[in-house]
Amino acid sequence: QKEVEQDPGPLSVPEGAIVSLNCTYSNSAFQYFMWYRQYSRKGPELLMYTYSSGNKEDGRFTAQVDKSSKYISLFIRDSQPSDSATYLCAMRYNFNKFYFGSGTKLNVKP
Amino acid sequence: GAGVSQSPSNKVTEKGKDVELRCDPISGHTALYWYRQRLGQGLEFLIYFQGNSAPDKSGLPSDRFSAERTGESVSTLTIQRTQQEDSAVYLCASSPRLGGDSNPRPTTNEKLFFGSGTQLSVL
Repeated sequence: QKEVEQDPGPLSVPEGAIVSLNCTYSNSAFQYFMWYRQYSRKGPELLMYTYSSGNKEDGRFTAQVDKSSKYISLFIRDSQPSDSATYLCAMRYNFNKFYFGSGTKLNVKP
Repeated sequence: GAGVSQSPSNKVTEKGKDVELRCDPISGHTALYWYRQRLGQGLEFLIYFQGNSAPDKSGLPSDRFSAERTGESVSTLTIQRTQQEDSAVYLCASSPRLGGDSNPRPTTNEKLFFGSGTQLSVL
C-alpha cells in the first residue's frame, strides 16, 4: 500500500467551476500537509500548507485536513484556465522525508 | 540566480552510458533533495543532504545511483550504466532549513523550492 494515494484524473472542468482534489494516506504519524502545483515542464511550487485538522483558506484556494479519516482536500473556487496544472499533495512526519501523491492533472476549459 | 537551477534541462543517452546531472540550489539553503518523477507518477525520494551531516541515501534505487554535494553548494547526481527504466524527470529541491520534529509548527523555511528538472531519456 502506498503511503499517499491520489486520484490521477485527468479532471476537466469549465471555467468558474469549483474543483475538489483529494488525497488519502495511511500513516497516522503524518503531521504536516501540503499542496504543490506543477505546470508542464516545470518543478512543483508550494501552494498551501497546514499542520492541523480543519480548513485553511488563501484566496480562491482552501486546504482541508481530516486527520481522523486520513483525508486531505484542496478546493479551488471560480477556477481559471491558468489553474490548469498537475496538483500534488505532500505530507511529512520525519524532518527530512516528504511523501508525495502521484498528482492530479487539472484542465480548466475557457 | 534567484531559483534552483538544474542542468542539463534535457539529456538523451544510450543504454549503458553514465550521466551526470547538476543542481545549483538557492544560495544559503542548507537542505537539498533529489527526486525522480516518472511519467504520470508522483515524486520518488532519492537522496537528501542537510548541511555537513551524512546524507540520507535511503531512496537511491540501486548502487548505480550516487550523489555528491560539496558543503552547501552544488550537487551532482550520477547514474552509471543507465537503463531504460531510468528514463524520468529528475528534480532537485532546496530548503533554507528544516525545523525537525521538535518544531511544533512548520515555517516558511520548510518550503521546498524546486528546479525545473532534467528530463532524462535512455534509448
